Parts: sequence; C-alpha cells; structure tokens
Amino acid sequence: DQQVKQNSPSLSVQEGRISILNCDYTNSMFDYFLWYKKYPAEGPTFLISISSIKDKNEDGRFTVFLNKSAKHLSLHIVPSQPGDSAVYFCAASGVKASYGKLTFGQGTILTVHP
Amino acid sequence: GAGVSQTPSNKVTEKGKYVELRCDPISGHTALYWYRQSLGQGPEFLIYFQGTGAADDSGLPNDRFFAVRPEGSVSTLKIQRTERGDSAMYLCASSLTSTGFDEQFFGPGTRLTVL
Repeated sequence: DQQVKQNSPSLSVQEGRISILNCDYTNSMFDYFLWYKKYPAEGPTFLISISSIKDKNEDGRFTVFLNKSAKHLSLHIVPSQPGDSAVYFCAASGVKASYGKLTFGQGTILTVHP
Repeated sequence: GAGVSQTPSNKVTEKGKYVELRCDPISGHTALYWYRQSLGQGPEFLIYFQGTGAADDSGLPNDRFFAVRPEGSVSTLKIQRTERGDSAMYLCASSLTSTGFDEQFFGPGTRLTVL
C-alpha cells in the first residue's frame, strides 16, 4: 500500500527553465509534507516543507504547493540549475501524532541540462 | 564531524549470518531514526527512538530485526539470520526532537549485501 506516490520516475529540464516535481498521497491523516534531495553516495538532505494548514511555501528558488482536496503536492524549482540534478523524494508525516515517522515516495530523478 | 555517521559504509555477509549496523547521531539530537532503502524505491521507515526508548517500531519487518539505543546517543540495528531480501541501503537519521516538525538529518547509509 503505497501511501505516497511519485508517478514520474524521471524528469529532464533545460538549465534556466522551471522544474515541476509531483507527488500524490492517499492518507488524509498526513499533516506535514517535506521534500528531500539525494545525491549519489550521500544520504537525503532536507529541502523544503509545508504544513497542511498552508497551500504554499517558498524558499528561494524552491516553492512547494499543497492541494489538500486533491491530495497532491508539487515542488517547483525556478530557475533550474545543473547542480539541482539529483533524486527528489517527497515525504509525509503526522499520522497518529507519530511525527518522527516519515513515509516517502519512490523518488524522481531530475536531470538539468546545461 | 558535525553530521550523522554510519559504520560500516558497506557490509557483505552470507545468508544466515548476524550483522550489526551502527549509527552515530548529531550531538544533542534526542531523536534517532532507521530507514531501509531498496533499489529504485524511497526510504522505508523501520523504527525511531526518542531518547533511549523506541517510540515507534512499527516498520520493523519481523523479529529478526532489532534496534537499541542504550544511552540515548549511538544506536545499533541488529539483523539475525540474514536473508538475501535484507540486502538494501540502511539509512539512519537524527533530529533535535521528534515532538515537532524538526528536520531529520540523514547519514550516508550502510549498504548491506547478503549473498
């Protein structure tokens, strides 16, 4: 039972353009959502998060949008840079107050071409 | 070293053997987490500790898996009678607390291969 899904295994974007990564979830009890970035041979690193009481959170080039009715979130990267090339995971938490337990999607490989 | 460290970085063992994977969290972080990541998948939650106690161990797949954190700092994930299906990257993370939305900092992982 995949509660967090990233349906696009990969995304290829030209440098300077917008990258949009998508994520869907099924459990309406999730109330906190995060995006992590992972480079090869490294652990995931936190990128940006959003609480379920908000619909948008922005941090520099990164913006996360949350659509609770559709159980969908997206990460926008503008402008995309070659150094953004990595695997991006969305994650969710908050079920039964077990905030430490993150449920991850399968990941999307982003490639930004110079 | 300010980050989360995990040892060994790679572990190759034979089916049926016992293995221990170690995690050193960031100093001062009271919460510690274990995840397992198979190829092409996202990290899958195993267990997390708040202090010395396991706050949620619902992700441990069976009783061959066990984790301890006796002094509230270093943690060891123990796997008995390893099976080929246990082969994966085992990730450890720590955060300041687990009671709010504290960022989880991940280590580089231990790649376990069971032959």
